[in-house]
Amino acid sequence: DGGITQSPKYLFRKEGQNVTLSCEQNLNHDAMYWYRQDPGQGLRLIYYSQIVNDFQKGDIAEGYSVSREKKESFPLTVTSAQKNPTAFYLCASSRGAAGLTYEQYFGPGTRLTVT
Amino acid sequence: LAKTTQPISMDSYEGQEVNITCSHNNIATNDYITWYQQFPSQGPRFIIQGYKTKVTNEVASLFIPADRKSSTLSLPRVSLSDTAVYYCLEQRGGGADGLTFGKGTHLIIQP
Repeated sequence: DGGITQSPKYLFRKEGQNVTLSCEQNLNHDAMYWYRQDPGQGLRLIYYSQIVNDFQKGDIAEGYSVSREKKESFPLTVTSAQKNPTAFYLCASSRGAAGLTYEQYFGPGTRLTVT
Repeated sequence: LAKTTQPISMDSYEGQEVNITCSHNNIATNDYITWYQQFPSQGPRFIIQGYKTKVTNEVASLFIPADRKSSTLSLPRVSLSDTAVYYCLEQRGGGADGLTFGKGTHLIIQP
């Protein structure tokens, strides 16, 4: 089955620790995205990548880092600099690198709790 | 930053047609309108996308008037399983503007 996988589904960390969220896709999509969703809110873009070895900041990139070494993978690291890391994190992908009007396919999400 | 306005919530009943309107007064020439559906604790799912006039697929229709300052998502004969949050986005080719989802419209379908 083609799709996007995110692991783990639930993640618990102590404050001050960096944590990396996994996102893998086998859709052969060029573009990948990371979003954050807080309770009762919409999704906010953290980072996006249109092609391997290239990525751009979204609206709320501070305290996060990403890499895009392979087309299939776009891991997100939540660093200790992120003030309020507890949230639901969603990864998405879309075909095509030039335009961003393509349909996005979302993974099941990772719920991160930092105490 | 592309911005849309939608009602916070709507109620309807099974078997009814539901229309959700989205305002996008500052839409740019190269913007498309895209709608997504999200169930609790899941990622959003693409419903439909359009540029102008009417687009229809197997689950919904999208109406965009000539001035493109608003759009209406139409869900025919809704069921309880259509209870979800619906997001309207202006998606701009060539950039990440519009890739922030607002709070969306929480549609509640009752028996």
